[in-house]
Amino acid sequence: QVQLVESGGGLVKPGGSLRLSCAASGFSFSDYYMSWIRQAPGKGLEWVSYISTSGSTIYYANSVKGRFTISRDNAKNSLYLQMNSLRAEDTAVYYCARVSRGVDYWGQGTLVTVSS
Amino acid sequence: DIQMTQSPSSLSASVGDRVTISCQASHDISNLLNWYQQKPGKAPNLLIYDASNLETGVPSRFSGSGSGTDFTVTISSLQPEDFATYYCQQFDKFPYTFGQGTKLEI
Repeated sequence: QVQLVESGGGLVKPGGSLRLSCAASGFSFSDYYMSWIRQAPGKGLEWVSYISTSGSTIYYANSVKGRFTISRDNAKNSLYLQMNSLRAEDTAVYYCARVSRGVDYWGQGTLVTVSS
Repeated sequence: DIQMTQSPSSLSASVGDRVTISCQASHDISNLLNWYQQKPGKAPNLLIYDASNLETGVPSRFSGSGSGTDFTVTISSLQPEDFATYYCQQFDKFPYTFGQGTKLEI
């Protein structure tokens, strides 16, 4: 069955960096667009970044542009999100997401807390 | 960015009721509209894609309609497991924005 397992979340100080990883299994990873979507505590959903199957097309939300970098390794069935210059408003659960006609599979989420 | 506005923000209903949630886009998005259900502490779950297509495994009491800027999702007869928060999301232009959510309460 399809599984998406995130890791790498945690507590970081403002201005710090974190790298999230998502291990995918149960499907042909290289055939699917992938994304990171986040949800601040008690808030709604925000689509953070999107990457095409080969990595040639990438989009970022304005709120993270220039600070976050999405990437993928199809040989390792893995998706990544490098987050630099973190701010308090980046505090959220970050979901790894498989994109098809919508987001048809989500990971369980990893919590990123940015606080001094 | 395309703004998505849901109404109502919250809704109280009873088991067996028919309920409808609305979503309005700030620009014409054709039928590129998805609906998700989210329960507390869980990731969202895709219910409807392309405005009116039921995702595999989703009960037939859920239905979606609309095109252009105005969309709805209807639950024909509420079941206890349907009490959750519902989000619409446009899939026309990045960023693929979500509505603010509708919390469906008993």
